[in-house]
Amino acid sequence: AQTVTQSQPEMSVQEAETVTLSCTYDTSESNYYLFWYKQPPSRQMILVIRQEAYKQQNATENRFSVNFQKAAKSFSLKISDSQLGDTAMYFCAFMSTGGTSYGKLTFGQGTILTVHP
Amino acid sequence: NAGVTQTPKFRVLKTGQSMTLLCAQDMNHEYMYWYRQDPGMGLRLIHYSVGEGTTAKGEVPDGYNVSRLKKQNFLLGLESAAPSQTSVYFCASMVRVTQYFGPGTRLLVL
Repeated sequence: AQTVTQSQPEMSVQEAETVTLSCTYDTSESNYYLFWYKQPPSRQMILVIRQEAYKQQNATENRFSVNFQKAAKSFSLKISDSQLGDTAMYFCAFMSTGGTSYGKLTFGQGTILTVHP
Repeated sequence: NAGVTQTPKFRVLKTGQSMTLLCAQDMNHEYMYWYRQDPGMGLRLIHYSVGEGTTAKGEVPDGYNVSRLKKQNFLLGLESAAPSQTSVYFCASMVRVTQYFGPGTRLLVL
């Protein structure tokens, strides 16, 4: 079974600065997807960014980018130019693409990010 | 498009009562999922469906049943609610590995 670990329960950053959230995972599979989801106080789960394991290039979505280290099984999220609206819980998640595990998301425990003005 | 909707938004139950949570999606997705979210534990998969008429168990299925009689609807049932089922429940549908979540249902079992 896969496991996803987020070792930072809480993080804080000043507005306009950069912050990096950590995520490690454990799997024996070779092809999979990794995700970062954002959950603001509204409770809505919002997809931030997605990375396919076979792609060596790190995914980027505007101010959000990842550092995917497949050998180290590490998948960190970097938020540049932090904004007050980035304040939320962030979840790292793993999805296998093989067999009966396809489509099942395994989530980490989450990191609460607070952006201060 | 409404996306993924969940009914109700909030419910209080007494121990032993039953209820059904409804998830509906208007995106014609084949795959649908039910998760529960507890403090400090992230989301955990309860049951899922890969198409109309099919269901399968996830990580924490005990105490729950599901049905997918129509492609657009995925129902989660609690036959005899227990305090341990106090949680926030999320439904999601998926296309091409991306899951779209509903707004959640907060359930309190007293």
